[in-house]
Amino acid sequence: GAVVSQHPSRVICKSGTSVKIECRSLDFQATTMFWYRQFPKQSLMLMATSNEGSKATYEQGVEKDKFLINHASLTLSTLTVTSAHPEDSSFYICSANSASGGWTDTQYFGPGTRLTVL
Amino acid sequence: AQTVTQSQPEMSVQEAETVTLSCTYDTSESDYYLFWYKQPPSRQMILVIRQEAYKQQNATENRFSVNFQKAAKSFSLKISDSQLGDAAMYFCAYRSAKTGNQFYFGTGTSLTVIP
Repeated sequence: GAVVSQHPSRVICKSGTSVKIECRSLDFQATTMFWYRQFPKQSLMLMATSNEGSKATYEQGVEKDKFLINHASLTLSTLTVTSAHPEDSSFYICSANSASGGWTDTQYFGPGTRLTVL
Repeated sequence: AQTVTQSQPEMSVQEAETVTLSCTYDTSESDYYLFWYKQPPSRQMILVIRQEAYKQQNATENRFSVNFQKAAKSFSLKISDSQLGDAAMYFCAYRSAKTGNQFYFGTGTSLTVIP
């Protein structure tokens, strides 16, 4: 139980285009989902926290107009990188808190999305 | 904000031996949760073990166990009978039980298992 999927796993796009990444909780309802960015050989950097049906809370330094987050249902959150540039290339990971099933205090992570902006 | 420190950027262990990864944290709270996650080369974050601060008993999961010292704010992970598949980055994480569900991660320890 408590499985989180992400799609796509890998995406390459041209500079200036927008990219949408989906995060789904497959066998539980997620009250809260988190989006992280991870640079090579570094820890996870929290970008934003999203609760179903409300606006995401962004961490300091993260541009909310560039990284659009939508948490439309208890099983789906999306991160859209708008007008992507090469410096946005990174590994993006989502996680979810379970409202039921698994430990409700634990974050369950998706497999991540490798974004490369040319 | 709480801080989590992993002072060992890299560790290595011989296959079948035991290794201990250290983690310390700073908090003024009494009620919280601690976690160890493993991130293998696939980059998938996998929950290894979890500890509730109000429990004195150390958590164990098969070959993985923790040494939780609340007064010292220490939360080390012991891996017994190390296997090649244990090679990964290991992250220690802290979560408050009261002030929200954000995780605070350490900087990670890269574990190499030598055959």
